Amino acid sequence: QQQVKQSPQSLIVQKGGISIINCAYENTAFDYFPWYQQFPGKGPALLIAIRPDVSEKKEGRFTISFNKSAKQFSLHIMDSQPGDSATYFCAASKGAAGNKLTFGGGTRVLVKP
Amino acid sequence: KAGVTQTPRYLIKTRGQQVTLSCSPISGHRSVSWYQQTPGQGLQFLFEYFSETQRNKGNFPGRFSGRQFSNSRSEMNVSTLELGDSALYLCASSFGGFANTGELFFGEGSRLTVL
Repeated sequence: QQQVKQSPQSLIVQKGGISIINCAYENTAFDYFPWYQQFPGKGPALLIAIRPDVSEKKEGRFTISFNKSAKQFSLHIMDSQPGDSATYFCAASKGAAGNKLTFGGGTRVLVKP
Repeated sequence: KAGVTQTPRYLIKTRGQQVTLSCSPISGHRSVSWYQQTPGQGLQFLFEYFSETQRNKGNFPGRFSGRQFSNSRSEMNVSTLELGDSALYLCASSFGGFANTGELFFGEGSRLTVL
């Protein structure tokens, strides 16, 4: 059972454009929603994270929007740069489960110069 | 500050063999989690160890096991290897504790190929 669904699987954006990745979850017990960025040959690295008591969080060019009633959250990458080309994973976890993350399927982002 | 170190980085095994993967967490981190990454199934949680105790376990068969040592270093073992076990195995560390942070620091992984 896929508890976190991520879309699209891949996207191509021009340099300076906006990349938008969406995730939907099923388990209402989830209370922590991080996004990870992974480059080829590397492990995932935490990009930004949000908790359900906040509807939006911004860090530099990266913004998470969270809709608790719809059980959806999204990542916006503003002013996309070629260096942002990577695979992005949304994830979710619940407090009692410690560091057990349930990941979405991933989105491969290619930023064209 | 050194990151999470995983060894070996690459290995090839044949069906039926067993394999042991090692992970050294970031200094001061007491929680170590293991994930399996495949093109078809994505990133899947295997188990988490905290202070030498398994705290969480994913939905993997008993062939997958792990342990953590007093210095927080961890190993995972896969016995009776199957072709489907070919994957990138990622180790992640964090400070741990009871608060749920989700802030995991991943190593570069051990890529296992089963022939």
